[in-house]
Amino acid sequence: GAVVSQHPSWVICKSGTSVKIECRSLDFQATTMFWYRQFPKQSLMLMATSNEGSKATYEQGVEKDKFLINHASLTLSTLTVTSAHPEDSSFYICSSPGSGNTIYFGEGSWLTVV
Amino acid sequence: GQNIDQPTEMTATEGAIVQINCTYQTSGFNGLFWYQQHAGEAPTFLSYNVLDGLEEKGRFSSFLSRSKGYSYLLLKELQMKDSASYLCAVSSQAGTALIFGKGTTLSVSS
Repeated sequence: GAVVSQHPSWVICKSGTSVKIECRSLDFQATTMFWYRQFPKQSLMLMATSNEGSKATYEQGVEKDKFLINHASLTLSTLTVTSAHPEDSSFYICSSPGSGNTIYFGEGSWLTVV
Repeated sequence: GQNIDQPTEMTATEGAIVQINCTYQTSGFNGLFWYQQHAGEAPTFLSYNVLDGLEEKGRFSSFLSRSKGYSYLLLKELQMKDSASYLCAVSSQAGTALIFGKGTTLSVSS
């Protein structure tokens, strides 16, 4: 069945470096991808919405130059955290709407910046 | 503005019944979701309500009142494995991102 595959599950990077998180849709076309961030003991906060072939729409307070989103194909959306800092350490997760009221979530990615 | 409220924490014992409430105020309404989330994992879908009333699915049931902006998730015959965070989320418009509440951490003890 349709799923969203997200990689990596865990990543540790040094301060100042960049890290890329990928979400691939399997068996369906992900026209839209939502990117969320979740800090410990908090809920999922929408960071941005990306649509295939167009620029992402960022939520208020989310720096578009720091969190680069690319959605160049119907099966792949990526989030790149640039110049990462320890405060960017969080759980990042993507989701894409399917048919009807179905929403597919990726498995999530834990980012730790040291 | 958009606002979803649910209790932060709840505790219960094995075999008991617990009700997790959720109230919402959103610019539109296209359905309400309940998810279960274990620490460090992706949310798992539990239920979807778009019409008023009760939806029952095994040990879990979900209720919606659109006029009151209110929903609850009812968990019966609680098990230790039900200890998790329960997220209430609203779809304000088809095709847009879900708006999540802060989640309710449920602790089930023996």
